[in-house]
Parts: sequence; C-alpha cells; structure tokens
Amino acid sequence: NAGVTQTPKFQVLKTGQSMTLQCAQDMNHNSMYWYRQDPGMGLRLIYYSASEGTTDKGEVPNGYNVSRLNKREFSLRLESAAPSQTSVYFCASSALGQSSNQPQHFGDGTRLSIL
Amino acid sequence: DAKTTQPNSMESNEEEPVHLPCNHSTISGTDYIHWYRQLPSQGPEYVIHGLTSNVNNRMASLAIAEDRKSSTLILHRATLRDAAVYYCIQKAAGNKLTFGGGTRVLVKP
Repeated sequence: NAGVTQTPKFQVLKTGQSMTLQCAQDMNHNSMYWYRQDPGMGLRLIYYSASEGTTDKGEVPNGYNVSRLNKREFSLRLESAAPSQTSVYFCASSALGQSSNQPQHFGDGTRLSIL
Repeated sequence: DAKTTQPNSMESNEEEPVHLPCNHSTISGTDYIHWYRQLPSQGPEYVIHGLTSNVNNRMASLAIAEDRKSSTLILHRATLRDAAVYYCIQKAAGNKLTFGGGTRVLVKP
C-alpha cells in the first residue's frame, strides 16, 4: 500500500543546477500538491493541481515549475537552484479537488540542500 | 496566512489524556476544521476533521465549540508515539491547506 511516493529522498545540489522532484500516488486521487517546509516552520504550498491537466500557484511559487504528467504523477522542477530553496519538500494528494472535507495524504518528503 | 492560533508546545505524561486547543475566530459557515500531525522526519498525517458536531475516530476526538470559533483535539491516552507537531487548519473550499506553526506535543514516560 504505497500511497504517495517521492523520489529522491535526499539530494545535494550546487547553486545554479537544475533538478526535478518526482511524486506519484496510487490512490486514484484527482488533486496533487507540492509543499516546502523550512526548519521549525509549518508547510507552505508551492503549487497544486486540482485535477489532471490543471496547475495553479500556491503561496510560494517563485523559482519553481510543475508538471501534472498524468493522473498519478506530479513533478516539481527547480530550473536554477538557489540556497534559499534548501528545504524539505512534500508532495500530497487528495480526492475530489473542490471539497472541503477530503484529507490530504502526504509522502515522506525530499530533503534538498543547495550549496 | 494561517487563520488558526495554537499554543507552541504542550507536555503530557504517557497514558494520560491530551487536550490541544485551537482558536479559529474567523471561521465561515462552510469551513471545516482539520487536524494533522507530523512525526519527526515524516510527512504530515491526517488525524481528524469536523464541521459542527463533535467527531471521534480511532486516533482522536474533536470537540468543536458551539460558536465554532474554537476546537479541541483530544488524544485519550497519550503514548510515546503521539509525540509530534499537531496542526489545526481552518479549511475552505478548494482543498488547499494552510499550515501554521502547530503545537509540539511532548510525551513523558
């Protein structure tokens, strides 16, 4: 019962390098999300996809791009990594994108360090 | 901005109940109250949610005030595994979550 799977689990980049974080869910959920969590803070929404074929900006989208590849997969890309993007990145998914009462299911995170 | 207010931390003894308060004074009639928790080095985990009535599940109970401006998450018998950061979230339509700082729960053996 995999749920939400994120790869890689850890990554170290140099400033200016690019990278794509992968996320896949096997729960047939419509909506998917990318968050970042800085030390001692709550999660902040970067981008989300309410349904396949749509993506929207969240609270902190600058420096990121996303692709909803299909219903299962939602990737996050850093085109030119900056030290300020050092963080733990979480992917999540949920059913029925416009409902207020559907819980989100989270992956275990990708710990990204940018030197 | 987070719309809820929670204490930064709380301590409890193992096997005793834990009551985690949350204020959400700006809540609208259609906003749900969701609770998530985050264990160390893990992603958040859904705990419970409610609209107006008190709710129970295998993990916890949620007591919502009659005016809906506050709620309390109740862990009936805390275990060491319940040590985590607990987030109270006022959730509007559209399924987006806005996390605040949460309450760090420490469970003493």
